[in-house]
Amino acid sequence: KQEVTQIPAALSVPEGENLVLNCSFTDSAIYNLQWFRQDPGKGLTSLLLIQSSQREQTSGRLNASLDKSSGRSTLYIAASQPGDSATYLCAVRGGGANNLFFGTGTRLTVIP
Amino acid sequence: GAGVSQTPSNKVTEKGKYVELRCDPISGHTALYWYRQSLGQGPEFLIYFQGTGAADDSGLPNDRFFAVRPEGSVSTLKIQRTERGDSAVYLCASRTTGGPYNEQFFGPGTRLTVL
Repeated sequence: KQEVTQIPAALSVPEGENLVLNCSFTDSAIYNLQWFRQDPGKGLTSLLLIQSSQREQTSGRLNASLDKSSGRSTLYIAASQPGDSATYLCAVRGGGANNLFFGTGTRLTVIP
Repeated sequence: GAGVSQTPSNKVTEKGKYVELRCDPISGHTALYWYRQSLGQGPEFLIYFQGTGAADDSGLPNDRFFAVRPEGSVSTLKIQRTERGDSAVYLCASRTTGGPYNEQFFGPGTRLTVL
């Protein structure tokens, strides 16, 4: 069964700092990888989707990379802002149902 | 509607009661998923529909859980004899067909509390 791990579990940074969130997965036979943002008590907002044939995707201050062979992805956030404070979830798609396998998330706090 | 909608947004029930949670996918999306997210955890897969049929229900934790999608659009997740351990946020997602590469779009979730 696919296992997804996210490190660190929590992270606090001062405003303006660049930061990296890490995600690893055990089975490299994935279709794609997705990064989500989740605010407290809210649903999931998709940030970036990387297909298995791609190496990275960028959206604004966010850049996600994928190294499928080593089972790793990173989410880079540039010039962090207090509004970036949320939980960030990594998920990979695979399996017979093509369902998503999620990590437990990284809770990010950006201090003004 | 523009996105996936779920009702109710919050549901409080007593142990042993029956509950139904509803999901309205994006129009035209034939694939529909239910996930459950416990406090401090990532969402976990429950069941997948392709059209009207449950193509994969391997994530359902036990036979108290059941889901239907009779007309290939709206889906209802049904939980019998609820237990306190069923308390979680239940998320629904939908996507178009055309292969596994398409993005899943999530609804806001239903927060279920079993007292």
